Amino acid sequence: QKEVEQNSGPLSVPEGAIASLNCTYSDRGSQSFFWYRQYSGKSPELIMFIYSNGDKEDGRFTAQLNKASQYVSLLIRDSQPSDSATYLCAAGDGTSYGKLTFGQGTILTVHP
Amino acid sequence: GAVVSQHPSRVICKSGTSVKIECRSLDFQATTMFWYRQFPKKSLMLMATSNEGSKATYEQGVEKDKFLINHASLTLSTLTVTSAHPEDSSFYICSAHNKDRGYGYTFGSGTRLTVV
Repeated sequence: QKEVEQNSGPLSVPEGAIASLNCTYSDRGSQSFFWYRQYSGKSPELIMFIYSNGDKEDGRFTAQLNKASQYVSLLIRDSQPSDSATYLCAAGDGTSYGKLTFGQGTILTVHP
Repeated sequence: GAVVSQHPSRVICKSGTSVKIECRSLDFQATTMFWYRQFPKKSLMLMATSNEGSKATYEQGVEKDKFLINHASLTLSTLTVTSAHPEDSSFYICSAHNKDRGYGYTFGSGTRLTVV
């Protein structure tokens, strides 16, 4: 059974701080990893994807992947109240049609 | 950017009736579409994977005769919830993927189904 695990939180950080979200996965065959943000009642929106070990930066967001430890993280710098949402980690199974397995999500609250 | 249109966004139906949900990729061809279900405060659970022109592949525990999926073209997939019951009330989300576009997965806006 392929699993993606996240701390459900809630994670609360003050505005302007760095929010750190973590995710582990069980399937070593997973090739690609995704972070989605989901606001209540809305569908997920892609923040970043990563498939190579190391860091990948996009604006205020940095994704980190460590395949040896089967660990993925997302750092959000200069957190804003608008970043308050549920963050979903997903792992791709490496096939050509790309089925994703989602974690349960981490609720992030950024307070002013 | 890639856009996936899903409708209806909300639907209320009576027990025993059927509901059809449409998912369209507007500006790209979706070689694969995925259908997910999400219960309140839970994560997305994959229901089935559909490839254009072939039968959908259902996840374990998902009744294929209850959740009919049709992927008739590279831009349209439909999910029909047949003989709906209150326990089918959920948030249904489609996701479209084109393998030639690399790791692009685009979600539809979701459909909130309430069965009364």
